[in-house]
Amino acid sequence: KQEVTQIPAALSVPEGENLVLNCSFTDSAIYNLQWFRQDPGKGLTSLLLIQSSQREQTSGRLNASLDKSSGRSTLYIAASQPGDSATYLCAVRRSGNTPLVFGKGTRLSVIA
Amino acid sequence: EADIYQTPRYLVIGTGKKITLECSQTMGHDKMYWYQQDPGMELHLIHYSYGVNSTEKGDLSSESTVSRIRTEHFPLTLESARPSHTSQYLCASRSSTGELFFGEGSRLTVL
Repeated sequence: KQEVTQIPAALSVPEGENLVLNCSFTDSAIYNLQWFRQDPGKGLTSLLLIQSSQREQTSGRLNASLDKSSGRSTLYIAASQPGDSATYLCAVRRSGNTPLVFGKGTRLSVIA
Repeated sequence: EADIYQTPRYLVIGTGKKITLECSQTMGHDKMYWYQQDPGMELHLIHYSYGVNSTEKGDLSSESTVSRIRTEHFPLTLESARPSHTSQYLCASRSSTGELFFGEGSRLTVL
């Protein structure tokens, strides 16, 4: 059974810092991996989707990488801002017809 | 920007009431999902659908039921609400590229 782990569970950084959030999964045979952001009391916002054949995806200040063989993905946030404060979740899909398996998330606080 | 809508956003009801949480998407996605999430906790899949007339139970046992009569509509129903059903319910749909889009959620409180 696929398990997704996100470390650290919480992170606090000063504004302007570059930071990396980690996601690991136990079964490397994945179809795709998706990073989300969740603000308190809200739904999830899709940030980046990486297909199994891709190594990374970029959107603005965000860059996500995927290393299937080691069962890892990282989300890099450049020049962090207070508005980046949220919980970031990683999720993987084993095949085209299976639901996503979510990690517990990393709660990020960017201090002005 | 994803077009997926959930109503109501907030609901407070008494024990024993029947409720339906609505979820609609205008993107024509076949695959739709319901997740349950307690505050600060992880998401748990409770129901999903691969298309019209298709419904499946997820990983978390739930006393709720779902239906999928139309592609754009995936309502979740609780026949008799209990305090243990107090939670946030998140609906999502999946694009052809495999990307998942979520609604804003329905926060249910059962007294």
